[in-house]
Amino acid sequence: QQPVQSPQAVILREGEDAVINCSSSKALYSVHWYRQKHGEAPVFLMILLKGGEQKGHDKISASFNEKKQQSSLYLTASQLSYSGTYFCGAVTGTASKLTFGTGTRLQVTL
Amino acid sequence: NAGVTQTPKFRVLKTGQSMTLLCAQDMNHEYMYWYRQDPGMGLRLIHYSVGEGTTAKGEVPDGYNVSRLKKQNFLLGLESAAPSQTSVYFCASSPFRSNTGELFFGEGSRLTVL
Repeated sequence: QQPVQSPQAVILREGEDAVINCSSSKALYSVHWYRQKHGEAPVFLMILLKGGEQKGHDKISASFNEKKQQSSLYLTASQLSYSGTYFCGAVTGTASKLTFGTGTRLQVTL
Repeated sequence: NAGVTQTPKFRVLKTGQSMTLLCAQDMNHEYMYWYRQDPGMGLRLIHYSVGEGTTAKGEVPDGYNVSRLKKQNFLLGLESAAPSQTSVYFCASSPFRSNTGELFFGEGSRLTVL
């Protein structure tokens, strides 16, 4: 079962912040975040392992709440280059299946 | 390094025809995956492999078969193509189990079934 992402789409002005949420109906073992530009392959941003950690990647960070079975991606001071579709991927066991959400389309404008 | 290479990049088929998509990686990765991407559906896992000679079903395996005869190659086959299989197909590989490591994606193969 796919994790649920929200919002489905968001438009920002350059410099604004955004939060993308990802929730699972099953217990999460780990969460991946990827960004995909139009016509290109998804690119890895970060992975969060079970344990409630938070990670950062330049001005993009993420948190993982194991109890709530949720992860959130935080984009601060957005740049034009942040535009794209963001996918969370959930691993709900020790198997090697990574299941992606339906994506959040982010557009950053001037 | 080429990374993950998919061939062909574009293909048009008629209903009922068969074809094979090839994914090749030169990073000596154990784990390989085939996803399909459709508008509004995100990336859905078709089949995956945790090593040479092994394959397993993902979320949407019906109508597809796979083989991993060599560690560097993962083939996706459509025996009798249907319009519902029109999609963009992505192959990915990883040196780690997906619960601990990133996936490296190919550029995608766009398939149209008429």
